[in-house]
Amino acid sequence: GENVEQHPSTLSVQEGDSAVIKCTYSDSASNYFPWYKQELGKGPQLIIDIRSNVGEKKDQRIAVTLNKTAKHFSLHITETQPEDSAVYFCAAKPSLCGNNRLAFGKGNQVVVIP
Amino acid sequence: DTAVSQTPKYLVTQMGNDKSIKCEQNLGHDTMYWYKQDSKKFLKIMFSYNNKELIINETVPNRFSPKSPDKAHLNLHINSLELGDSAVYFCASSQAHGAGGNEQYFGPGTRLTVT
Repeated sequence: GENVEQHPSTLSVQEGDSAVIKCTYSDSASNYFPWYKQELGKGPQLIIDIRSNVGEKKDQRIAVTLNKTAKHFSLHITETQPEDSAVYFCAAKPSLCGNNRLAFGKGNQVVVIP
Repeated sequence: DTAVSQTPKYLVTQMGNDKSIKCEQNLGHDTMYWYKQDSKKFLKIMFSYNNKELIINETVPNRFSPKSPDKAHLNLHINSLELGDSAVYFCASSQAHGAGGNEQYFGPGTRLTVT
């Protein structure tokens, strides 16, 4: 099955700096890669996703890049703000899996220091 | 107007009891899920239903029994609760097919504490 790993487990950045979280996946057939943000006491919220036919996608201050050859994808947050502090999860969906199952990474704690 | 809702938000109970968590989604999705998030924040899928039919059943003790009365609801019943069941349980939903079929939307979670 698909195995997704996230690095680093904790990331502290100064407000205004950029944050990058990287995930690797094992199944080359995976074709969908979402990122979720989980704030304290809340459920994971889908913030951006990318499909395997695209190399990069941006939405305001966040962007995701995908390298299918190396089997890794990254979340980039620019001009970080205190409200970006949260746990971020990456996930991957194998295309051969017809039941919409997502394989999640273990999460990254991002702390934005004011 | 919450897209995926769960009740209760907090549940404190004693070992050996039986409890249920309810989930409802008003997104018109065909597929619903239950996840367990442990103290280390790891999200583990437990079950998935597509249009009231079970399609994912991970290695979960059979004390856990999901029930889907219709495609907008997926409830989770837990018998003989154990200390290790303490966790946050999330319900999620997605479309079964189409361009949006991969996007899962999560509820706010139910924090279960077994004492």
